[in-house]
Amino acid sequence: AQSVTQLDSQVPVFEEAPVELRCNYSSSVSVYLFWYVQYPNQGLQLLLKYLSGSTLVKGINGFEAEFNKSQTSFHLRKPSVHISDTAEYFCAVSGSQGNLIFGKGTKLSVKP
Amino acid sequence: GAGVSQSPSNKVTEKGKDVELRCDPISGHTALYWYRQSLGQGLEFLIYFQGNSAPDKSGLPSDRFSAERTGGSVSTLTIQRTQQEDSAVYLCASSPISNEQYFGPGTRLTVT
Repeated sequence: AQSVTQLDSQVPVFEEAPVELRCNYSSSVSVYLFWYVQYPNQGLQLLLKYLSGSTLVKGINGFEAEFNKSQTSFHLRKPSVHISDTAEYFCAVSGSQGNLIFGKGTKLSVKP
Repeated sequence: GAGVSQSPSNKVTEKGKDVELRCDPISGHTALYWYRQSLGQGLEFLIYFQGNSAPDKSGLPSDRFSAERTGGSVSTLTIQRTQQEDSAVYLCASSPISNEQYFGPGTRLTVT
């Protein structure tokens, strides 16, 4: 069975600092991996995805993630965060029917 | 173009009543998914429709939950005899292919 673990439930960081949100997955088959962002009282928005090819994936809003098969990780990074990046971030793996299996989420809080 | 829409945005119902939640997917998207987001359980897959195929109901938590998709477009999620543990945000997503999903804003269901 596939699963996703987000190691940090909350990450506080100061504005303009770098951030890394960690994600590990478990799967016995080839995986598609995703990061979604959810702003308060809104739906989920796709940040980036890994399907195949280059292991470094660039997404919207300056975010990027690196797929590491040996460590079964897909950590999300941004070199300099803004107040507007405050949101909840979800890592997900694609299940057998294309349904998404989500981690528990990481709340990123950017402080001035 | 228009994104995924869901209605109502908020629904308050009494325990034991039936509710219907509606999802209008992006035009032309063949796949449609329902998820539930609750504090205790995070984001959970409920049901998946692909074209005219029989839906994958493997995520439905009980037989009180059902869903249909008419004409390969609009979908309705029905919860019969609602319970307090059904309180959650119900999210719908549609996809042109099985590995990139676009989410609606969700319906917040409160069972009193």
